[in-house]
Amino acid sequence: GAGVSQTPSNKVTEKGKYVELRCDPISGHTALYWYRQSLGQGPEFLIYFQGTGAADDSGLPNDRFFAVRPEGSVSTLKIQRTERGDSAVYLCASSLSREDTQYFGPGTRLTVL
Amino acid sequence: QKEVEQNSGPLSVPEGAIASLNCTYSDRVSQSFFWYRQYSGKSPELIMSIYSNGDKEDGRFTAQLNKASQYVSLLIRDSQPSDSATYLCAGLKAAGNKLTFGGGTRVLVKP
Repeated sequence: GAGVSQTPSNKVTEKGKYVELRCDPISGHTALYWYRQSLGQGPEFLIYFQGTGAADDSGLPNDRFFAVRPEGSVSTLKIQRTERGDSAVYLCASSLSREDTQYFGPGTRLTVL
Repeated sequence: QKEVEQNSGPLSVPEGAIASLNCTYSDRVSQSFFWYRQYSGKSPELIMSIYSNGDKEDGRFTAQLNKASQYVSLLIRDSQPSDSATYLCAGLKAAGNKLTFGGGTRVLVKP
């Protein structure tokens, strides 16, 4: 079946701009996660959704970052007033339920100039 | 101390040999463990999961978990050049949701 998909695959923006990154999880997976991976490091947790609600947003670095999942399927990660330090690969993962195996999408490479 | 730690490598092994990767963890990530393989420019791909003490084998891969010593390892037998990648160790705490990753170990298998 189809895996996790993410769009766009690459996003280049200028400092101060607003960006939206989209994640489409595996069908039937109720849990959805966003991670951020900088070069040479492991992914770092940002936020977790169970259904439509953000059950854990403890990894969001500041209030410029926000994510939604209005219908319990597709999720959008929104970054306001982007900074150069936001440049990274943003990974989305989904799992059948909270403690099940997480499957990752291909990621969105964000570059802030 | 980081919650999950790995040697960054590179770990260089000749083709056909066994590659041995180690990962240590803190009390905060003590429930379940996962090994992901990540090729350059690609997303992490699950290789193995392990939940209880002991060994778990799947093809050429064996994961080992020792909760008393707080380490988890991955053995790759008969290493192939296609195994060259970064291997990420991740832990999930009880009743948790987020994976906590180590920095990854880069493995190079030389023909």
